[in-house]
Amino acid sequence: GENVEQHPSTLSVQEGDSAVIKCTYSDSASNYFPWYKQELGKGPQLIIDIRSNVGEKKDQRIAVTLNKTAKHFSLHITETQPEDSAVYFCAASMKTSYDKVIFGPGTSLSVIP
Amino acid sequence: EPEVTQTPSHQVTQMGQEVILRCVPISNHLYFYWYRQILGQKVEFLVSFYNNEISEKSEIFDDQFSVERPDGSNFTLKIRSTKLEDSAMYFCASTLEDRVTEAFFGQGTRLTVV
Repeated sequence: GENVEQHPSTLSVQEGDSAVIKCTYSDSASNYFPWYKQELGKGPQLIIDIRSNVGEKKDQRIAVTLNKTAKHFSLHITETQPEDSAVYFCAASMKTSYDKVIFGPGTSLSVIP
Repeated sequence: EPEVTQTPSHQVTQMGQEVILRCVPISNHLYFYWYRQILGQKVEFLVSFYNNEISEKSEIFDDQFSVERPDGSNFTLKIRSTKLEDSAMYFCASTLEDRVTEAFFGQGTRLTVV
C-alpha cells in the first residue's frame, strides 16, 4: 500500500521567512496530493492540493510542487505569519473506485514573531 | 460554508464499554470515512463507506469496530468493547462523488478509555 514520508518533523522559522516541507510517496499510482493544516484541538483542514497532471500550484502565500518521477512533493509557505503555526500533513490518494487519503506523519511548524 | 460535524467533542468511557461516535457529513456527499489520530501521531485511515456498505478498511478496523448510516444523514462509528489503546482523536470525513477530490474533515471526537 501507499506510504507517505514527511520531513522535517518540526520546523521553526522567523516571522516573514519562508517554510518548506517535503514529502515522498511510494505508490506511483497515486495521483492526488492534498495538504492539510491542523490547529490545536481541530480536525485537519485542506489548504491546497495538487493533481498528478500539474507540476506546481500556487495560492497566495502557499505553493505546492510535485515531481512525479521522483515521487516527491513539497509545500512552500512564504512570508510566514504567527497564525501559520500548526501541524501540517501531506497526503496522497489514488483514484480507485473509492478514495482514501494516506497521511504523512506531520510537520509541526512554529512561526516566531 | 458546509462542514462535517461530530458529536460528542469528548467522550470518556471505561474499558470494555461500548461507545458510539456520531458524525453528520456534508449533505450532498456520498463517500464517508473514519480516521483516528493517537496523540502525537499521524492520522490513520480506518474505514471508508459508500452506498451503505464498507468499501475499504484498514487492519486497525477489526471486529470490534462497525460503522452505520442509520438514517441517511448520520454516520456512526461503534466500538463494541473499548480498550485503552483505542484512546485517540477520531475524525469523520466525507467526499463528494466518485472522483479524486478533497476530503472534508470534522473537528474530531476525543475518546479517552480509562
